[in-house]
Amino acid sequence: SQQGEEDPQALSIQEGENATMNCSYKTSINNLQWYRQNSGRGLVHLILIRSNEREKHSGRLRVTLDTSKKSSSLLITASRAADTASYFCATDHLGAQKLVFGQGTRLTINP
Amino acid sequence: DAGITQSPRHKVTETGTPVTLRCHQTENHRYMYWYRQDPGHGLRLIHYSYGVKDTDKGEVSDGYSVSRSKTEDFLLTLESATSSQTSVYFCAISESGVGYEKLFFGSGTQLSVL
Repeated sequence: SQQGEEDPQALSIQEGENATMNCSYKTSINNLQWYRQNSGRGLVHLILIRSNEREKHSGRLRVTLDTSKKSSSLLITASRAADTASYFCATDHLGAQKLVFGQGTRLTINP
Repeated sequence: DAGITQSPRHKVTETGTPVTLRCHQTENHRYMYWYRQDPGHGLRLIHYSYGVKDTDKGEVSDGYSVSRSKTEDFLLTLESATSSQTSVYFCAISESGVGYEKLFFGSGTQLSVL
C-alpha cells in the first residue's frame, strides 16, 4: 500500500506550545501535501511541498521533507485552541495518478 | 464551503436500494474527485473525473459508478447499497487545476445503509 503513516495518532498539548506531526511514505513522490479537518467538516489544504524542496513555511506552519528517509513533518508553532483538528498528510506518487491520504493525527489544544 | 455543494448532507437508506450523491461546483474546475472516509482507513479515492464524460476508477471503485455530463456536476451512484458503503463521502476539486494538487473539499455526505 502507498498509504502514508502518520505519527502520532493523537497529540494533546497546551495552548502556546508547538505541535509536531510526522508522516512517512513508501514510494517516490511528486509532492506531499498537508490538510486539516475540523470535526464534521471537509478537509482544508494547508501546504504543498514538492519532492525537490526541503522546507516550506506558511504563517505558523513549517513543513519539512526528507526524500531520502521518505518522511515529512508538520510543525505548528504557538498553538491556539482553533488549531484543534485532525491533520492529514497526502502524497502524490510518481505514476499513481491519485492522492493517497494517511490516517491522520488528531491534535487537541488545551486552553 | 464556497464553490462546492454536496447533496444530500445526510441520507439513511436500506440495503439493496440505489443511491445517488451529487457534487456541484461553481468554479469550472476540470478535475473532480469522490472520496470516502472511514475510521481506520483515512480517505480513499473512489472515482475521479478529468473532464466532461472523462472518468476513471480509484482504489475502492467496486459497487460505485459516476457520471459527469456537465463540468459543474459530478454524480456518484451506488447501484445497490450495502452496509459496507456506510461512510462519509467527500467530493473534491483541484484548485490548482493540475491533477492532484491542492484539493478543495465539500462538506461531505453522511450515508448510512441499514
